[in-house]
Amino acid sequence: AQKVTQAQTEISVVEKEDVTLDCVYETRDTTYYLFWYKQPPSGELVFLIRRNSFDEQNEISGRYSWNFQKSTSSFNFTITASQVVDSAVYFCALRGMDTGRRALTFGSGTRLQVQP
Amino acid sequence: EPEVTQTPSHQVTQMGQEVILRCVPISNHLYFYWYRQILGQKVEFLVSFYNNEISEKSEIFDDQFSVERPDGSNFTLKIRSTKLEDSAMYFCASTPAQTYEQYFGPGTRLTVT
Repeated sequence: AQKVTQAQTEISVVEKEDVTLDCVYETRDTTYYLFWYKQPPSGELVFLIRRNSFDEQNEISGRYSWNFQKSTSSFNFTITASQVVDSAVYFCALRGMDTGRRALTFGSGTRLQVQP
Repeated sequence: EPEVTQTPSHQVTQMGQEVILRCVPISNHLYFYWYRQILGQKVEFLVSFYNNEISEKSEIFDDQFSVERPDGSNFTLKIRSTKLEDSAMYFCASTPAQTYEQYFGPGTRLTVT
C-alpha cells in the first residue's frame, strides 16, 4: 500500500519568512515518483516538481527548493522569502511504478497562509 | 501553453439524476485520469484510461461511474444516479507518458442537492 503523510495541516507565516512543508511517504515499490502540487484559492492543481526515486539530488527553482531523503522517506519543500501569492494548499503525491499503477496517491495537504 | 480544459465549471443536479462531466486533455497526451476532491479533503484517484480502455480504477469508481472517450479529443465521466456524497470537485488530468507528471484541468464542482 502507498501512503503520503503531510502532518502539518496549516502553517501561517509572515511575508519574507522561509517555510518548510513536510512530506513523508510509504511505499514498497523500488521505483517511484514524488510530486508537489499547489492548489491556490481558485482551486486548480498546479504541478510544481517531479522527482524519481533514483535521483536524490536536491533541486532549487527560484525561491522553491526540495529536499529528497530516501533514508527517511521524506520529500520536503521549502519556500524562501515567502510572498502573499504563495498562499495556497500544497499537496505532496506519490506514484509507485513497480506494479504498473498509474494513480497518484496524495497527502492530505498543507494550507499555507502568508500574511503581509 | 497547452492545458487541460473541463466543462462545466460548476454543475448543480438533483439526487438520482445522471451527470456527464467533460474534459479535453492536452492533445498529444495518451493517459487520462479522473480524480475527485471532497471539499477540504485530499485529492482521490477515481480511474485511469489508456488506449480506449480503463487501465486502473479505485474502490470509489463503482458501477455508478463510467468513462468514455467518444472522439479524439473529449474524455467524459458519467455518474448514472448521483448521490449527495458525490458532491465534490472533479479533476481531469492527462500525461504523455506514465513517468511524466499529470497535468490537471481546472475542475468541475459538482453539487448534488
